[in-house]
Amino acid sequence: EPEVTQTPSHQVTQMGQEVILRCVPISNHLYFYWYRQILGQKVEFLVSFYNNEISEKSEIFDDQFSVERPDGSNFTLKIRSTKLEDSAMYFCASSERTTARSSYNEQFFGPGTRLTVL
Amino acid sequence: GQQVMQIPQYQHVQEGEDFTTYCNSSTTLSNIQWYKQRPGGHPVFLIQLVKSGEVKKQKRLTFQFGEAKKNSSLHITATQTTDVGTYFCAGRPRAGTASKLTFGTGTRLQVTL
Repeated sequence: EPEVTQTPSHQVTQMGQEVILRCVPISNHLYFYWYRQILGQKVEFLVSFYNNEISEKSEIFDDQFSVERPDGSNFTLKIRSTKLEDSAMYFCASSERTTARSSYNEQFFGPGTRLTVL
Repeated sequence: GQQVMQIPQYQHVQEGEDFTTYCNSSTTLSNIQWYKQRPGGHPVFLIQLVKSGEVKKQKRLTFQFGEAKKNSSLHITATQTTDVGTYFCAGRPRAGTASKLTFGTGTRLQVTL
């Protein structure tokens, strides 16, 4: 069964450093998302991406964050200068093209990257 | 901004007992989805509800969407240990696959024998 993959599974970085989290969405999916989940808390939307541009972003997704689809398979989240409060699990998700039967397709989540900022 | 709250935060039941989690949005939703997250795992899609008053069943799970499209519930009949995890509702205020999905605060379910 196709699945979303994410690398690395765990990233430790120093405050102020740049990190890039990588995701490979399911191959025929066209919508991509990043979420974060601070330990023990709810899942928070960061950004959605479609047709090579950001569709929507949350207030969390400030100028320190950027996303990119550098080729036909990868989808990346870059945090330019990490802060302690960026420590969280980051989930990538993807969704297939909207079909005539449903405009609200399920999202398939990857296993996540645990980011620890020291 | 939009807030989605769930109650209870945590519930501990004996295997075989029923369980219900309630989800309330501060704004009207276009649709709502439910996800399950096992401990240490990632969210896994369970179902989506679109119509006002909609009820859907999946084996022992029953999902409802309120008439005003601001609340929803998930009921599990005769819980099993495999039901352990955190259940999140997630709502969209606007239509569209790319539109923001706001997750609820989650209800953690613990089931013991």
